[in-house]
Amino acid sequence: QKEVEQNSGPLSVPEGAIASLNCTYSDRGSQSFFWYRQYSGKSPELIMFIYSNGDKEDGRFTAQLNKASQYVSLLIRDSQPSDSATYLCAVPGAGSYQLTFGKGTKLSVIP
Amino acid sequence: NAGVTQTPKFQVLKTGQSMTLQCAQDMNHNSMYWYRQDPGMGLRLIYYSASEGTTDKGEVPNGYNVSRLNKREFSLRLESAAPSQTSVYFCASSGQAPDTQYFGPGTRLTVL
Repeated sequence: QKEVEQNSGPLSVPEGAIASLNCTYSDRGSQSFFWYRQYSGKSPELIMFIYSNGDKEDGRFTAQLNKASQYVSLLIRDSQPSDSATYLCAVPGAGSYQLTFGKGTKLSVIP
Repeated sequence: NAGVTQTPKFQVLKTGQSMTLQCAQDMNHNSMYWYRQDPGMGLRLIYYSASEGTTDKGEVPNGYNVSRLNKREFSLRLESAAPSQTSVYFCASSGQAPDTQYFGPGTRLTVL
């Protein structure tokens, strides 16, 4: 069974700072990684995915993947109060039709 | 283009009652999924359908059944609800599994 671990938080950062969210996974064979954002009472929405080692940038979001160390991180630059949400890391499971989700890290951006 | 829709949004059942949660997508996706989300447990896969005509168990299938009615619709049935099935249920779909799963708004179910 694949395991995906995240710190539950809450992680509090001041507005304008960089928020760093981390995720570790157990299966060395995992090839792709997803970050979802979930606002309280809402459904998860995909914000980033990454397949290759290194960094992938999309606006204020940067995903970083290190397969040797089996971790993937999400950096949010210039954090805004609207970024306050729970961030879920997800890794494809057996047969690639299943996503294993971490339990999520709750981020609070303080104005 | 509504994406993924779920009905109902809220439901309260008594122990032993049955009900069906409905899910539909209009994105012509092949794969559909049912998850439950509980505090402190994260999202857990109940069942999935890789393509029309196929269904498979996920991590927590006990107490549930599913039907892939056609390419658009995937329903989840609780035959005899138990308090342990109190949860928020999400349906999702993807075009090329597992990339980019799109989630519905969820159904909040309480079993008394």
